[in-house]
Amino acid sequence: AQTVTQSQPEMSVQEAETVTLSCTYDTSESDYYLFWYKQPPSRQMILVIRQEAYKQQNATENRFSVNFQKAAKSFSLKISDSQLGDAAMYFCAYRSAHSNYGQNFVFGPGTRLSVLP
Amino acid sequence: GAVVSQHPSRVICKSGTSVKIECRSLDFQATTMFWYRQFPKQSLMLMATSNEGSKATYEQGVEKDKFLINHASLTLSTLTVTSAHPEDSSFYICSAKGDTQETQYFGPGTRLLVL
Repeated sequence: AQTVTQSQPEMSVQEAETVTLSCTYDTSESDYYLFWYKQPPSRQMILVIRQEAYKQQNATENRFSVNFQKAAKSFSLKISDSQLGDAAMYFCAYRSAHSNYGQNFVFGPGTRLSVLP
Repeated sequence: GAVVSQHPSRVICKSGTSVKIECRSLDFQATTMFWYRQFPKQSLMLMATSNEGSKATYEQGVEKDKFLINHASLTLSTLTVTSAHPEDSSFYICSAKGDTQETQYFGPGTRLLVL
């Protein structure tokens, strides 16, 4: 079974600075997807960024980028120019690319990010 | 973008009653819907996966007779908590995925409080 680990229960960053959230996962599969979701106080899950395992290039979405290291099974999220609105719970998630292994997400325990003004 | 709604957003009920939560995909056909439960300050725990027109697949430890899931159409899935007890109080989140989509889209969640 796949597992996702986020070793930082809480992180803080100064406004306008950069912060990196860690995520590692365990799988025997070669094809899969990785996601970072943000859950603000409203508790609505918001997709931040997505990475396909077959792509070597790291995904980027505006101020958000990932460092995907497939061999190390690591998928960290970098937030640049942090803003107050970035404060939230961040979840790393794994999904198999093969339907016979299930289409559900496996979520990590989350990292609570605080942004200091 | 893909939008998923949930209704109600918040419900309070008495112990022993049943509560139905609806999950709708508003602008796409959701062939698969997922139901999650989230306790305070914890991650999302998958309860069950439902494919349109089929019986739901429940995760280990989730009572299928207590948490009834129906996915009768490509835009609607319902979760019914039967004979609710205070320990069922939690935040319930649904997500939906279309056939050609790799991403799940989440509803805003339903906060259930059982007195």
